[in-house]
Amino acid sequence: AQSVTQLDSQVPVFEEAPVELRCNYSSSVSVYLFWYVQYPNQGLQLLLKYLSGSTLVKGINGFEAEFNKSQTSFHLRKPSVHISDTAEYFCAVTRGSTLGRLYFGRGTQLTVWP
Amino acid sequence: KAGVTQTPRYLIKTRGQQVTLSCSPISGHRSVSWYQQTPGQGLQFLFEYFSETQRNKGNFPGRFSGRQFSNSRSEMNVSTLELGDSALYLCASSLEAGGGEQYFGPGTRLTVT
Repeated sequence: AQSVTQLDSQVPVFEEAPVELRCNYSSSVSVYLFWYVQYPNQGLQLLLKYLSGSTLVKGINGFEAEFNKSQTSFHLRKPSVHISDTAEYFCAVTRGSTLGRLYFGRGTQLTVWP
Repeated sequence: KAGVTQTPRYLIKTRGQQVTLSCSPISGHRSVSWYQQTPGQGLQFLFEYFSETQRNKGNFPGRFSGRQFSNSRSEMNVSTLELGDSALYLCASSLEAGGGEQYFGPGTRLTVT
């Protein structure tokens, strides 16, 4: 079974500071990796994805993530956050035999303070 | 292009009743997946449909069922509702079966009293 671990349930930061949200996964097979963001009372919005190729992936809203196969990690980063980035962030993984099924981490609540 | 739409957005039901939720995928998308989101269990996969066929199913009781129509629209049904079924139900669509990259709707908030 797939397992996705988001190491921090809450991350508070000040505006314009850099942030890293950590995600580790367990899988012995090739996976596809995603980060989604959820604003209050809304669905999930795809931030970025890693399917293959370059391990540094750029997404929307200035976010990027790096796929590290040896460490089975896919950490999300942003060099300078805004108050509007306050939301819950979910790391998700899917694999070849069940591509239509996403396995999600428990989420990280990012709170940006002025 | 319009996104994934889900109806209704909010629903209140009583224990023992049944409920049907609807999802319209992004135009041209042929695969629909359903997820349940609760504070206790997080996001859990319910099932995936493609070409009117269920391809994957999560670990939920048989009270949870779904179907997909020829226009790719999907419905999920929960019978004999329990208090624990209170959740946000999210529908996601992707271009093809097992498309990996899924786009989510706003969800239906179901409250069971």
